[in-house]
Amino acid sequence: EAQVTQNPRYLITVTGKKLTVTCSQNMNHEYMSWYRQDPGLGLRQIYYSMNVEVTDKGDVPEGYKVSRKEKRNFPLILESPSPNQTSLYFCASAIDRGAGNTIYFGEGSWLTVV
Amino acid sequence: AQTVTQSQPEMSVQEAETVTLSCTYDTSESDYYLFWYKQPPSRQMILVIRQEAYKQQNATENRFSVNFQKAAKSFSLKISDSQLGDAAMYFCAYRSQYPYFGNEKLTFGTGTRLTIIP
Repeated sequence: EAQVTQNPRYLITVTGKKLTVTCSQNMNHEYMSWYRQDPGLGLRQIYYSMNVEVTDKGDVPEGYKVSRKEKRNFPLILESPSPNQTSLYFCASAIDRGAGNTIYFGEGSWLTVV
Repeated sequence: AQTVTQSQPEMSVQEAETVTLSCTYDTSESDYYLFWYKQPPSRQMILVIRQEAYKQQNATENRFSVNFQKAAKSFSLKISDSQLGDAAMYFCAYRSQYPYFGNEKLTFGTGTRLTIIP
C-alpha cells in the first residue's frame, strides 16, 4: 500500500528542546516536502527536496532544518522549538515527473510547544 | 507568486441539498492545476477533485463537480446530495504545470469549514 508515514503523530514538548519529526515514503518518490497548517492560514510549505542531498526552502523555513540522506526519508528538525511552531505538520511526496503527478500526504503530526 | 482565496470561512447545508464552495486565485501563468482537498476531523488530506487549466470541460467526480472559469480565475466546488460524511474543512489549492526549480508546491487557500445539518 502506498504510504507516507510520519512520526510522532502527537507531541507536546518544551521550548528549546530539539526534536525531529520523521517522514518516510514507500513509493520510491524523488520529491518530498513539509507543510505546516495553522488556523486561518491554510497549509504553507516549509521545505522541499527534489532528491537525495537536494533540499531547498519553501515559504516558511525559519526555525526548521531538513535533511535527505536516503530517498525514502525526509526528517523535519526543530533545533530550538518555540511556541509559534505549535502547528499541524504534513509531509508529502510525489514522483518527480511533471506537475501532473499525484501528491501523497502523510496523516499529519500535531506538535505543541509550551 | 500565486495566491488562492477562499472567502467563506464557514458554510452549512441541509443533508441531501446542494452546496457550492467558492475559490478564486491569482496567477500570471497559463498552465496550471487546481485542486479541492477535503480534511475531515481525522485531519487527513483527501484529494476530492482536480482540474487541468488547459481543459475547458469541468471536472466531475460522482457528487462533486467544479465550475472552472479561467478568465475570471474562479474555481468553485459543488457538492450535490450532501451527506453527513461530507462534513469537513475543504481547501482549494493551486499547482504550477511547470514548477519553479521543480518544486511541486501546492499553494492553498485558507479553507472553508462545511457543516451538514441532518
